[in-house]
Amino acid sequence: DAGITQSPRHKVTETGTPVTLRCHQTENHRYMYWYRQDPGHGLRLIHYSYGVKDTDKGEVSDGYSVSRSKTEDFLLTLESATSSQTSVYFCAISPGTAYEQYFGPGTRLTVT
Amino acid sequence: AQSVTQLDSQVPVFEEAPVELRCNYSSSVSVYLFWYVQYPNQGLQLLLKYLSGSTLVKGINGFEAEFNKSQTSFHLRKPSVHISDTAEYFCAVSDGAGGTSYGKLTFGQGTILTVHP
Repeated sequence: DAGITQSPRHKVTETGTPVTLRCHQTENHRYMYWYRQDPGHGLRLIHYSYGVKDTDKGEVSDGYSVSRSKTEDFLLTLESATSSQTSVYFCAISPGTAYEQYFGPGTRLTVT
Repeated sequence: AQSVTQLDSQVPVFEEAPVELRCNYSSSVSVYLFWYVQYPNQGLQLLLKYLSGSTLVKGINGFEAEFNKSQTSFHLRKPSVHISDTAEYFCAVSDGAGGTSYGKLTFGQGTILTVHP
């Protein structure tokens, strides 16, 4: 299994609070991605990174920001959580664009 | 822009029967195609992938898929399913084949396969 961990694995937070999710990899892969999974929508790309300090927006980036200061860590921040951000969040990594992505175990986030 | 349509949201089947999960895609560039499986409360696991070459690709757990460029399809098949195949299956297309792409995946909505005894 690819060395990907996500923390926390479960979190309940209140509307309006900031939340940061962490993705950590031990594979030294260049590409990292954040997706959210919602019933009926499959997985949708939030943000991605193609190197340290190189990030860009995905399909559903509103309300989210990311940072990557080290190869191994990719942080996803919800600046002010809303109930519509209740979801399961998955991090993925890949060594290159011609390869598959390897997924982490996911973080279940509930915003009350 | 890319899109993926999984034509069935749920597929019930009896154990040892064959199954086909259908996936159509649209893209203006060459693509890579993937099938992932998600067991309850787990992450996604790669079943198989098409990057180039033979249009019939074999994956883990006895699954296979056929890439049909003219019909823009990538259907997943298994000749005989087991109870343990009960899971949600996702078809995905990557823009990784393009010259200035970042390997971003676009997923279908998912197909829940339920295998009954």
